[in-house]
Amino acid sequence: DTGVSQNPRHKITKRGQNVTFRCDPISEHNRLYWYRQTLGQGPEFLTYFQNEAQLEKSRLLSDRFSAERPKGSFSTLEIQRTEQGDSAMYLCASSLGFNRGGTEAFFGQGTRLTVV
Amino acid sequence: AQTVTQSQPEMSVQEAETVTLSCTYDTSESDYYLFWYKQPPSRQMILVIRQEAYKQQNATENRFSVNFQKAAKSFSLKISDSQLGDAAMYFCAYRSAQEYGNKLVFGAGTILRVKS
Repeated sequence: DTGVSQNPRHKITKRGQNVTFRCDPISEHNRLYWYRQTLGQGPEFLTYFQNEAQLEKSRLLSDRFSAERPKGSFSTLEIQRTEQGDSAMYLCASSLGFNRGGTEAFFGQGTRLTVV
Repeated sequence: AQTVTQSQPEMSVQEAETVTLSCTYDTSESDYYLFWYKQPPSRQMILVIRQEAYKQQNATENRFSVNFQKAAKSFSLKISDSQLGDAAMYFCAYRSAQEYGNKLVFGAGTILRVKS
């Protein structure tokens, strides 16, 4: 296991299309997070899972966004009816839970979305 | 809600010199974690150093050290003997120690340039 893996690395889509991103966390990590990062800014939290349960969603996550983590392993983030404002880097991170001593989140390389 | 502020959009340092990046945060919690993450251009974010709020001793990791002032809610990063490979965007981040409040809250980042 070499770390958090995200696919695709880059995605260009036309406005109005749906896109889906995938994140494969570090295998023993039960927590998985999605963040969005726009150019020159820090990442902003979108949502997080503990195992397969989605425990928190940001107000940034409009109803066009949906995330899943079936079976508590990989996760997908889908954006429906994309808008130009959705253009950003989407970062995935994973960590152990606190009761397993986890404080550090490990990040993937991100998926850069460009909506044209 | 917690906030993290990095007031230096960009910093420069001569190779082999020392530089300090500033970070302040706002929280009403007494137990939390603070982090500095490094994000090189087009590469994934990696953890540089972490500090547990209940520890009075400042964390150090080789050439990287922090000055944690809990009362002042300040958390600066000092990089000694700067190297060309230190050039990156640096993010300060906050994480609650509560069981289910463990998303990262990031500052806007500081671009560090290292001159040879």
